[in-house]
Amino acid sequence: DGGITQSPKYLFRKEGQNVTLSCEQNLNHDAMYWYRQDPGQGLRLIYYSQIVNDFQKGDIAEGYSVSREKKESFPLTVTSAQKNPTAFYLCASLQAAGQPQHFGDGTRLSIL
Amino acid sequence: GIQVEQSPPDLILQEGANSTLRCNFSDSVNNLQWFHQNPWGQLINLFYIPSGTKQNGRLSATTVATERYSLLYISSSQTTDSGVYFCAVSIDYQLIWGAGTKLIIKP
Repeated sequence: DGGITQSPKYLFRKEGQNVTLSCEQNLNHDAMYWYRQDPGQGLRLIYYSQIVNDFQKGDIAEGYSVSREKKESFPLTVTSAQKNPTAFYLCASLQAAGQPQHFGDGTRLSIL
Repeated sequence: GIQVEQSPPDLILQEGANSTLRCNFSDSVNNLQWFHQNPWGQLINLFYIPSGTKQNGRLSATTVATERYSLLYISSSQTTDSGVYFCAVSIDYQLIWGAGTKLIIKP
């Protein structure tokens, strides 16, 4: 079945450590997205990419980095510069502008 | 930028009740989606509805694009309907999100 796979489901980070969240899609969608959700809040856009080797900052990009070397993959790195990384992270993809976004099941990141 | 407002913010109902959730948006949009986020965090696409009415079982949605609002109807609520309902409008490649309606269905 086509879909979006995020891994791992749960991730723990030590202080000062970088961690990378994986997002893979087999929907052949051009655009991919990373969102952050804090408890009881809505989704906020971190980064998005419309095509391979190109990406744009969203509303809260500070402390995060991404790459888009392959169409099907859009990993997110939470760097040590992100001082409050504990949150639920959701990845999404989109076939074309105006089409529905499809979401993975998310990764919960916590600080040890 | 465009504003998306959802109401009510919270809703508590008994099982079997009907409910209407509203989403207002401040400008013309390419499209509108309704999502259900379950207690485990999964975001489930409910409707992709730029205009008109769609139905899926006990759920239906109506978007009146000219008046810039959308309604989500849930009939004969079940406890599994609990969670947060988000609407999001699409502008080009981006989604602009409402703050959500938290729905609790009591048995």
